[in-house]
Amino acid sequence: GENVEQHPSTLSVQEGDSAVIKCTYSDSASNYFPWYKQELGKRPQLIIDIRSNVGEKKDQRIAVTLNKTAKHFSLHITETQPEDSAVYFCAAGLSGNTPLVFGKGTRLSVIA
Amino acid sequence: DGGITQSPKYLFRKEGQNVTLSCEQNLNHDAMYWYRQDPGQGLRLIYYSQIVNDFQKGDIAEGYSVSREKKESFPLTVTSAQKNPTAFYLCASGSGTSGRFGTDTQYFGPGTRLTVL
Repeated sequence: GENVEQHPSTLSVQEGDSAVIKCTYSDSASNYFPWYKQELGKRPQLIIDIRSNVGEKKDQRIAVTLNKTAKHFSLHITETQPEDSAVYFCAAGLSGNTPLVFGKGTRLSVIA
Repeated sequence: DGGITQSPKYLFRKEGQNVTLSCEQNLNHDAMYWYRQDPGQGLRLIYYSQIVNDFQKGDIAEGYSVSREKKESFPLTVTSAQKNPTAFYLCASGSGTSGRFGTDTQYFGPGTRLTVL
């Protein structure tokens, strides 16, 4: 089955700097790669996703890149702000209509 | 996200007791999922259902049971056979609607925090 590895497990950046979180997956059949942000005690919130037919997607300060050959995808957050502090999860699945396999999360701290 | 509700928000279970967690959605989604989240770990799949009256086991189904009698509802029962049920339980639903993230995306409910006394 699918296995998703995520790193780093913790990341601290200065406000205004960029943050990068990386994930690798094992199943070449996976075609859907969402990223979720989870604040303490809250539900995971979808922040961006990418499908295998594109290599990069951007939404304001966040972007995701996908390398299907190498089986890895990354989340990039630019101009970080204190409100970006949270735990971020990557996931992989055959599609958005199928179960997702999640990474173990990255705790991002943005220091003002 | 506001179309998926879970109750209760907090639940306490005694040893040997079965408890049922509620998940309801009004998004007309076909698929519904139950995930378990433990501290320092990602979400792990318990059960999922892609159509009414049908459901499949996930990676950690032992000690849990579900039903899917209505499209809107997917309750999860934590049985006494689940030896370590203390966790944050998240229900999700997906597909059937269009929006910012496309037509096939999973959204989560607010979660139920279960504690064994």
